[in-house]
Amino acid sequence: GAGVSQSPSNKVTEKGKDVELRCDPISGHTALYWYRQSLGQGLEFLIYFQGNSAPDKSGLPSDRFSAERTGGSVSTLTIQRTQQEDSAVYLCASSLGGTSLRKETQYFGPGTRLLVL
Amino acid sequence: AQTVTQSQPEMSVQEAETVTLSCTYDTSENNYYLFWYKQPPSRQMILVIRQEAYKQQNATENRFSVNFQKAAKSFSLKISDSQLGDTAMYFCASSSNNAGNMLTFGGGTRLMVKP
Repeated sequence: GAGVSQSPSNKVTEKGKDVELRCDPISGHTALYWYRQSLGQGLEFLIYFQGNSAPDKSGLPSDRFSAERTGGSVSTLTIQRTQQEDSAVYLCASSLGGTSLRKETQYFGPGTRLLVL
Repeated sequence: AQTVTQSQPEMSVQEAETVTLSCTYDTSENNYYLFWYKQPPSRQMILVIRQEAYKQQNATENRFSVNFQKAAKSFSLKISDSQLGDTAMYFCASSSNNAGNMLTFGGGTRLMVKP
């Protein structure tokens, strides 16, 4: 089937505006992850959803960041009152979910490049 | 917490030759998983090879193989018969069920394959 898809591919916004980034995981994958890739910080984990469990939000950098996953499938990452330091590539990944190498392997989407002016 | 270190920011190799990318990690977990991902200029993160810590046998995927040294906490990637399409950033990563399942990435190695 199709891989992980993300939209938009690129987003330019003004400082202080809110943005929403969307992720469609691979069909049948119960686990979904958001990561941020920036020049200064490398690849950082943001948030993790597994089935109907409460999400692991331990990587969110501030309360301006939030994410939800509706119906166990599509996820939206929202950044409120964007700042210039939020400029980065936001990557989404999904996995089958479970406790084996195959089920733990994450597959990534093409990312959304966010530029905050 | 897990940490992953890639000590080579940049490397280059001639087409058709072999190159090895280094990766070391630190973890307190007994079972964990190790991965190499490739990120070409298109930005898409592509899985190259994966290994479970419990398995001593080194993983192999076509021209890609790993040298997994569990005691030394080393997980290097060997690319044989390098091709121009191998030019990309390569990231080493680890994850563990007991550490939240998220991937911890190294800083990456930029590999250039020269014709």
